[in-house]
Amino acid sequence: QQQVKQSPQSLIVQKGGISIINCAYENTAFDYFPWYQQFPGKGPALLIAIRPDVSEKKEGRFTISFNKSAKQFSLHIMDSQPGDSATYFCAASRMDSSYKLIFGSGTRLLVRP
Amino acid sequence: EAQVTQNPRYLITVTGKKLTVTCSQNMNHEYMSWYRQDPGLGLRQIYYSMNVEVTDKGDVPEGYKVSRKEKRNFPLILESPSPNQTSLYFCASSAASGSWVETQYFGPGTRLLVL
Repeated sequence: QQQVKQSPQSLIVQKGGISIINCAYENTAFDYFPWYQQFPGKGPALLIAIRPDVSEKKEGRFTISFNKSAKQFSLHIMDSQPGDSATYFCAASRMDSSYKLIFGSGTRLLVRP
Repeated sequence: EAQVTQNPRYLITVTGKKLTVTCSQNMNHEYMSWYRQDPGLGLRQIYYSMNVEVTDKGDVPEGYKVSRKEKRNFPLILESPSPNQTSLYFCASSAASGSWVETQYFGPGTRLLVL
């Protein structure tokens, strides 16, 4: 049972463009939604996270949009750069058990120069 | 430097030969977890530990064992590895908190091939 569905599986964007990755979750008890970035040969690293009491969170070029009623959240990368090329994972958990993250299947992003 | 270390980074073994992947963190974190990463499936939690001598099953625990005898170490044990355990394994740790969420820090990964 896949509790967090992520799309697309892969994404190619030109430098300077906007990258958008979408996730949908099923468990309404989830109240913590992080995004992780993973470069080849490395472990995932926390990029940005949101709680459902806000609809949007922005950190630099990275923005999470959250739609509680639709049980969806998305990552937007503005002004995408070749250095952003990586695999991105959305995840979800309950805040009081954030050590039990449920991950999406991942999106491989390639930003062309 | 705060980090999670795993050893070995790469391992090739044969079916049925017991192996252990070590994980150590130097951040005095209470929580530690093991995940496996497979193409198209993302990361799936195998086991987690909330503190010394406290462990519990994650989503895919079959065929794995763990122990938490010391706070900094959380080894993953495959008693009788099978080819379907060929995967990329990550250890992670995070600090205990009150009502707020703490970031999970991931190790560099261990790529395992079971022949």
